Amino acid sequence: GENVEQHPSTLSVQEGDSAVIKCTYSDSASNYFPWYKQELGKRPQLIIDIRSNVGEKKDQRIAVTLNKTAKHFSLHITETQPEDSAVYFCAASKGSSYKLIFGSGTRLLVRP
Amino acid sequence: DAGITQSPRHKVTETGTPVTLRCHQTENHRYMYWYRQDPGHGLRLIHYSYGVKDTDKGEVSDGYSVSRSKTEDFLLTLESATSSQTSVYFCAISDPTQSGNYGYTFGSGTRLTVV
Repeated sequence: GENVEQHPSTLSVQEGDSAVIKCTYSDSASNYFPWYKQELGKRPQLIIDIRSNVGEKKDQRIAVTLNKTAKHFSLHITETQPEDSAVYFCAASKGSSYKLIFGSGTRLLVRP
Repeated sequence: DAGITQSPRHKVTETGTPVTLRCHQTENHRYMYWYRQDPGHGLRLIHYSYGVKDTDKGEVSDGYSVSRSKTEDFLLTLESATSSQTSVYFCAISDPTQSGNYGYTFGSGTRLTVV
């Protein structure tokens, strides 16, 4: 089955700097790659997603890139702010069940 | 909030007892999922449903069963709770066929402690 690996497990950046989180997936048939943000004690929430027919997608300060050949995708956050501090999860899915397989998460700390 | 609720929010139970968690949605979404969240493991899929009475196993289904008798309700049962099932359980819904949106909406979670 699908396996998603996520790195790093923790990331600390200075406010205003950029943050990059990387994920690799094992199943070349995977075609949907979302990113979720989870604040402490809250539910995960979708922040951006990309499908396999697109190489890059941006939404204000966040962007996701996908390299299908290498089977990896990345989340980029520019001009980080303290409110970006949270745990971020990548995920992958394929086929008609739409079930997501998640990475193990990255705890991002943005230092003021 | 977001048309999906989980109950109970918190539960403490004893080893060996059966436990049922409920997920209720008002979005008429076809797909429903149960995940557990543990430190260092992210979110792991337990079971999912793609319609009434249609369910399938996920990555970590041993010791769990599910039922979906109505579109709006998806029940997760721990047949005989063990300490290893202490976790936070999240329900999620989606319906790409309805909205074209593949993303999940998660419930608020149930924190289960097995003592």
